[in-house]
Amino acid sequence: DGGITQSPKYLFRKEGQNVTLSCEQNLNHDAMYWYRQDPGQGLRLIYYSQIVNDFQKGDIAEGYSVSREKKESFPLTVTSAQKNPTAFYLCASNDRGAGLEAFFGQGTRLTVV
Amino acid sequence: KQEVTQIPAALSVPEGENLVLNCSFTDSAIYNLQWFRQDPGKGLTSLLLIQSSQREQTSGRLNASLDKSSGRSTLYIAASQPGDSATYLCAVRLLKAAGNKLTFGGGTRVLVKP
Repeated sequence: DGGITQSPKYLFRKEGQNVTLSCEQNLNHDAMYWYRQDPGQGLRLIYYSQIVNDFQKGDIAEGYSVSREKKESFPLTVTSAQKNPTAFYLCASNDRGAGLEAFFGQGTRLTVV
Repeated sequence: KQEVTQIPAALSVPEGENLVLNCSFTDSAIYNLQWFRQDPGKGLTSLLLIQSSQREQTSGRLNASLDKSSGRSTLYIAASQPGDSATYLCAVRLLKAAGNKLTFGGGTRVLVKP
């Protein structure tokens, strides 16, 4: 089955620690995105990548970093510079064809302990 | 800047009643609009995608309309069932959006009572 796999489902981070969230897709999509979801707020774009080895900041990139070394993979690192990292993180992808329909993974819930 | 609004934020209906969910956007220069469903603690599931040239899309009990000139889309769910209980999100992609990014509304949380 084609889809987007995010891991882990739950992640706990200590103060001052960097953590990396995984996102893998087998849909052969060029573009991939990371969104953050907080209670009572809509999804906000963190980073996006439209092609391998290239990525751009979204609306709330501070405290986050990404890489895109392979078409299938777009990991997100939450650094210690992110002051309020507790949130639900969603990875998405879309192809240039098929009307740019977006597909999402099942999310990772990150909690600071 | 595109803003997307979904009103009401929450909705409760008895089983069998038709659901009407609203989405409004401020910039009518859109490429497409997409409706999603989100269950608690889960990711987003795509329900319907409407291109800017289309007026509506249908899938089973779901029908979504698009009126670009008034900046509105409506999602209709016929004969609601308890399994339709979820949060419904609309998202708009502008014609010239950097990275083809989506702008999301805050969602409407739906409860269908048996």
